[in-house]
Amino acid sequence: GEDVEQSLFLSVREGDSSVINCTYTDSSSTYLYWYKQEPGAGLQLLTYIFSNMDMKQDQRLTVLLNKKDKHLSLRIADTQTGDSAIYFCAESIRSGGYNKLIFGAGTRLAVHP
Amino acid sequence: NAGVTQTPKFQVLKTGQSMTLQCAQDMNHEYMSWYRQDPGMGLRLIHYSVGAGITDQGEVPNGYNVSRSTTEDFPLRLLSAAPSQTSVYFCASSYSVTTEAFFGQGTRLTVV
Repeated sequence: GEDVEQSLFLSVREGDSSVINCTYTDSSSTYLYWYKQEPGAGLQLLTYIFSNMDMKQDQRLTVLLNKKDKHLSLRIADTQTGDSAIYFCAESIRSGGYNKLIFGAGTRLAVHP
Repeated sequence: NAGVTQTPKFQVLKTGQSMTLQCAQDMNHEYMSWYRQDPGMGLRLIHYSVGAGITDQGEVPNGYNVSRSTTEDFPLRLLSAAPSQTSVYFCASSYSVTTEAFFGQGTRLTVV
């Protein structure tokens, strides 16, 4: 089946690292994504990783993929108040002629001083 | 470059009313889709389209219709609104099956 799970809430102190975790069930996923949603806004793609990669780093963001355990994580270094948002993990699954995105419920990241 | 534009941003409907949520993109993307976002449930796919004239159902299509007469536009129609359709609706588009999906700002719909 298709299912993506994330914890719903994470609170961190400004300047610390944040780690948001995600598990997925479909081993045929081609890409895995992290989207950010700020209040009242749409989803913005933060980063993505192809399913044959283990790690991807992009400035303060590090994505780790454990394909055996179907576990994806997003690490944000030096977390800032501007990072407060909801973070969605999504997997891309081929269905017919379309890659559909299966989203997790989202992790609300709260950054406090 | 406007990206993906959704209208309206907010809407209140009475049970049984019909309406159309508009979505337009100016990036010449073939792939477009509609999602609904409900608390604690992430985004769920309603309908999608892989090109003009081609649409298909997603996870939660009941109560919604779509059409794709042009590449740019992908309207979502609620035939007879129900309180269970109270949600935030997002339209998304992408160039191909494997490229980034761009999302609109969302339409917050309340059915009373």
